[in-house]
Amino acid sequence: AQKITQTQPGMFVQEKEAVTLDCTYDTSDQSYGLFWYKQPSSGEMIFLIYQGSYDEQNATEGRYSLNFQKARKSANLVISASQLGDSAMYFCAMREMDSSYKLIFGSGTRLLVRP
Amino acid sequence: DTGVSQNPRHKITKRGQNVTFRCDPISEHNRLYWYRQTLGQGPEFLTYFQNEAQLEKSRLLSDRFSAERPKGSFSTLEIQRTEQGDSAMYLCASSLAGYEQFFGPGTRLTVL
Repeated sequence: AQKITQTQPGMFVQEKEAVTLDCTYDTSDQSYGLFWYKQPSSGEMIFLIYQGSYDEQNATEGRYSLNFQKARKSANLVISASQLGDSAMYFCAMREMDSSYKLIFGSGTRLLVRP
Repeated sequence: DTGVSQNPRHKITKRGQNVTFRCDPISEHNRLYWYRQTLGQGPEFLTYFQNEAQLEKSRLLSDRFSAERPKGSFSTLEIQRTEQGDSAMYLCASSLAGYEQFFGPGTRLTVL
């Protein structure tokens, strides 16, 4: 069965610094997709970045980048130049590659950006 | 606003009562998903629709839960005879098949 593990329940980062949020995954599929979502206190899950298992380059979206290490089965999120508005829960997720494409989520990391 | 919307945003009910939530997906999306998120956890899959057909239900979806998506547009999730363990955030997401899912703001259910 597919599984996502996020081992950091909470993280602090100083404003304007970079921070890495860890994510490891377990799957026997050769083809899979990995996502990061942000969940502010309002509750909505906001899509940040996507990495496909066959993508040769690490995904980037503005200040977000995904450090994808396939052999280690890790997909860490790097946020550069942290802003106060980045304070939120962050979830790593894997997409099931059956016909459902449902998402399997980790338990999340709460990030707090200090001014 | 063309995003996913959910109503109500908050629902407080007494144990044993029935509740119904509504989700309006992004209009051109043929897939609609329901997830449940308990405190301190990530969302867990409940069920999904392709157009009006409900194609998969999780083991988490007990007999007291039922979901519909008439005409392949909005969806409703009903919980009958609510229990305190049903207290959670219920999230709806929509997508085109195979593409990223866009989530609504969720409905927070509290069962007293």
